[in-house]
Amino acid sequence: EAGVTQFPSHSVIEKGQTVTLRCDPISGHDNLYWYRRVMGKEIKFLLHFVKESKQDESGMPNNRFLAERTGGTYSTLKVQPAELEDSGVYFCASSHRDPGTGIEKLFFGSGTQLSVL
Amino acid sequence: LAKTTQPISMDSYEGQEVNITCSHNNIATNDYITWYQQFPSQGPRFIIQGYKTKVTNEVASLFIPADRKSSTLSLPRVSLSDTAVYYCLVGDIYSSASKIIFGSGTRLSIRP
Repeated sequence: EAGVTQFPSHSVIEKGQTVTLRCDPISGHDNLYWYRRVMGKEIKFLLHFVKESKQDESGMPNNRFLAERTGGTYSTLKVQPAELEDSGVYFCASSHRDPGTGIEKLFFGSGTQLSVL
Repeated sequence: LAKTTQPISMDSYEGQEVNITCSHNNIATNDYITWYQQFPSQGPRFIIQGYKTKVTNEVASLFIPADRKSSTLSLPRVSLSDTAVYYCLVGDIYSSASKIIFGSGTRLSIRP
């Protein structure tokens, strides 16, 4: 079974440019999450999709960030225009609930290292 | 949301058993405990999950006392490849993972 894949693995852009990150969740996982870790800080929640709907976007930093999940499959996270403080590692995760316990189990991608210069 | 506290770092040697304890004094009735492992340049990877007592799988054991205010991840006979950051997370069974808080984790270093 393929895991969660993220593309690109690294991105270096200049301040003011636009970058789009992509996440392909595990097939059949309705829940998709985006997280971010800024240098020296903890991993923080950005937003949560259930299929194609945004369930919770309370963690999105500002309106320069736009996430989509058309058709409920892969998701994109666009940063426009990028600022220096947007640098960090962006993780995507998809999940399912254990059929026995009902507990949600997250599967993470390897992340996209974004550097804004 | 239950806040977790775990040691910032730990050192051990190959072949030893390593126990990492996490404190979650404010854990609620519906909360469960999950441990993740993270290697450099990778996303966190699920290790083990539990609600109470003891859970064991092929890589680790999780001990949760009756009051559930703490939990201990036990890694038997560690190897160099177990060097990683380990996160203890507490989440509500009925809520989504958006409510989970990642702390600083425990940086485990295994020496030859």
